[in-house]
Amino acid sequence: GAVVSQHPSRVICKSGTSVKIECRSLDFQATTMFWYRQFPKQSLMLMATSNEGSKATYEQGVEKDKFLINHASLTLSTLTVTSAHPEDSSFYICSAPRWDGSSYEQYFGPGTRLTVT
Amino acid sequence: AQSVTQPDIHITVSEGASLELRCNYSYGATPYLFWYVQSPGQGLQLLLKYFSGDTLVQGIKGFEAEFKRSQSSFNLRKPSVHWSDAAEYFCAVGGVDRGSTLGRLYFGRGTQLTVWP
Repeated sequence: GAVVSQHPSRVICKSGTSVKIECRSLDFQATTMFWYRQFPKQSLMLMATSNEGSKATYEQGVEKDKFLINHASLTLSTLTVTSAHPEDSSFYICSAPRWDGSSYEQYFGPGTRLTVT
Repeated sequence: AQSVTQPDIHITVSEGASLELRCNYSYGATPYLFWYVQSPGQGLQLLLKYFSGDTLVQGIKGFEAEFKRSQSSFNLRKPSVHWSDAAEYFCAVGGVDRGSTLGRLYFGRGTQLTVWP
């Protein structure tokens, strides 16, 4: 089956620094990717939709200047958390849909655990 | 508005017992329905999906789900639960409704399944 990878799987950074998370579709092209944030014991919250070659679409309440998204190629989207603060500590998951003609499946990355100290 | 309701936050069953996880949705167009499972610290794995056709859908690991349009439900079932089924289960809806990005999913808050030996 299709695979979506994320890197890094875990990252610890100091408050005020920036962190970049990569999401790659390994064996299919993804013109759209989605970035989610998940707090402990909670559901996935969609942060933004990443569009290849154009600007990302952010959900209401998500700061676009803080969470920078770049979808530079058909297989790579990056999320940069700028000037990170402890409240940005969370589990970040990306996904990419792939159509098979009559239906699609959303492939999820394994997630990135961000801890801001 | 698009939404998914999973009324049970936490369910506990004995190993070997049957299981039903409830899911109700609200969606403004033809819904595509999904069930995902998530183990701690991991990404999401697709159990099954419904797009069209037979309303009883078979998935992996012995799970099945039934789409009932009249009840706006997509409940997940398994006749005999195994200890390895303990995890978080998410119901999601997507589709081609106006204003929604193709491939975008709306998630329920999840149901935590505990299995007693």
